[in-house]
Amino acid sequence: GQNIDQPTEMTATEGAIVQINCTYQTSGFNGLFWYQQHAGEAPTFLSYNVLDGLEEKGRFSSFLSRSKGYSYLLLKELQMKDSASYLCAVYSGGYQKVTFGTGTKLQVIP
Amino acid sequence: DGGITQSPKYLFRKEGQNVTLSCEQNLNHDAMYWYRQDPGQGLRLIYYSQIVNDFQKGDIAEGYSVSREKKESFPLTVTSAQKNPTAFYLCASSIRIAGVYTFGSGTRLTVV
Repeated sequence: GQNIDQPTEMTATEGAIVQINCTYQTSGFNGLFWYQQHAGEAPTFLSYNVLDGLEEKGRFSSFLSRSKGYSYLLLKELQMKDSASYLCAVYSGGYQKVTFGTGTKLQVIP
Repeated sequence: DGGITQSPKYLFRKEGQNVTLSCEQNLNHDAMYWYRQDPGQGLRLIYYSQIVNDFQKGDIAEGYSVSREKKESFPLTVTSAQKNPTAFYLCASSIRIAGVYTFGSGTRLTVV
């Protein structure tokens, strides 16, 4: 089976940097995704990591260590609109086998 | 603009009734998916389809049925056999890489 762990909630201050961690246990790893989901809305794709290292995309960066089963999403220069849930998902094993974590609810405060 | 359209946004069902959730995409994506989201749980895969006239069960297919008669459309029927249907249902599509999804805006189904 697969297991994905993320913190349930986090709070950070506007303008600051926050790191959201995701650990996973799986076999046949193919890739890791991060999604942003505002309350009551659909998730939107943020990043996709296949190889170890850091992928930077504007204020958002995502890091992957396959040997440690670990990823993080880094959000810089936090804005109030970044208040949302951040979902970690792993693609592994069989075809189309994508497993989502329960998500981390981030609250950005002034 | 291309995208995925789900309808209705809110749906109320009486116990014992079947209901069908619509999902239409104009992205020309081959693969389409249905996920269910419950509070405190990750998205769970109900069904997926790689090509027209073919679909596969996901992790929680019991009590659900789908069809894929057209590339653009992937409707989901929630049958009376689904014992706990109240949830937020998300339709998604992908062009090639599983997991790189475009999601629809979702349908919130409530059993009354």
